[in-house]
Amino acid sequence: GNSVTQMEGPVTLSEEAFLTINCTYTATGYPSLFWYVQYPGEGLQLLLKATKADDKGSNKGFEATYRKETTSFHLEKGSVQVSDSAVYFCALSGSTLGRLYFGRGTQLTVWP
Amino acid sequence: GAVVSQHPSRVICKSGTSVKIECRSLDFQATTMFWYRQFPKKSLMLMATSNEGSKATYEQGVEKDKFLINHASLTLSTLTVTSAHPEDSSFYICSARRASSTDTQYFGPGTRLTVL
Repeated sequence: GNSVTQMEGPVTLSEEAFLTINCTYTATGYPSLFWYVQYPGEGLQLLLKATKADDKGSNKGFEATYRKETTSFHLEKGSVQVSDSAVYFCALSGSTLGRLYFGRGTQLTVWP
Repeated sequence: GAVVSQHPSRVICKSGTSVKIECRSLDFQATTMFWYRQFPKKSLMLMATSNEGSKATYEQGVEKDKFLINHASLTLSTLTVTSAHPEDSSFYICSARRASSTDTQYFGPGTRLTVL
């Protein structure tokens, strides 16, 4: 079956620190992989995605590479800002129906 | 862009009443819409998948008679929580998938339901 395992939070960093949030997945077939971000009191926003092995998704300084050999899609950012404080969800879409399977979310707090 | 709106953003109701939440895709046609429920500090739980013009497909454990979903057009889906109880209080989020895309979903801002 399809599932996503995400690094447990919360993660607390100082501004300009390096960020990694680990995400691994189990899937049948060839899923697309996503990172969504949720700011307080809001819905989810698509941050980045990758649709096939070795693809790198990137947006707003965040990156994640689709690693089929390790079934991973770790989120990274070289220098975080206070405004990056949010909950980050890793997800996969494993069927033509478009259903998403989410990880449990990782709370990131960045201090000035 | 791909904008999805939800209305209302917050609603407080008395126990036993029904509440309707609207989800609209503002600048694209959505053949499929999804309804999620999010508990505090928890991930999103898919409640149902709604295809335009057909009955919604509910996830196991979700009461279809309690959570009525209608997807009457390519831009609108509604979720009605019938005979709401305090345990139905939650954050409800919808998402929409473009007719031309099979994987990316665009999410609404969510609706905070509080049942007194």
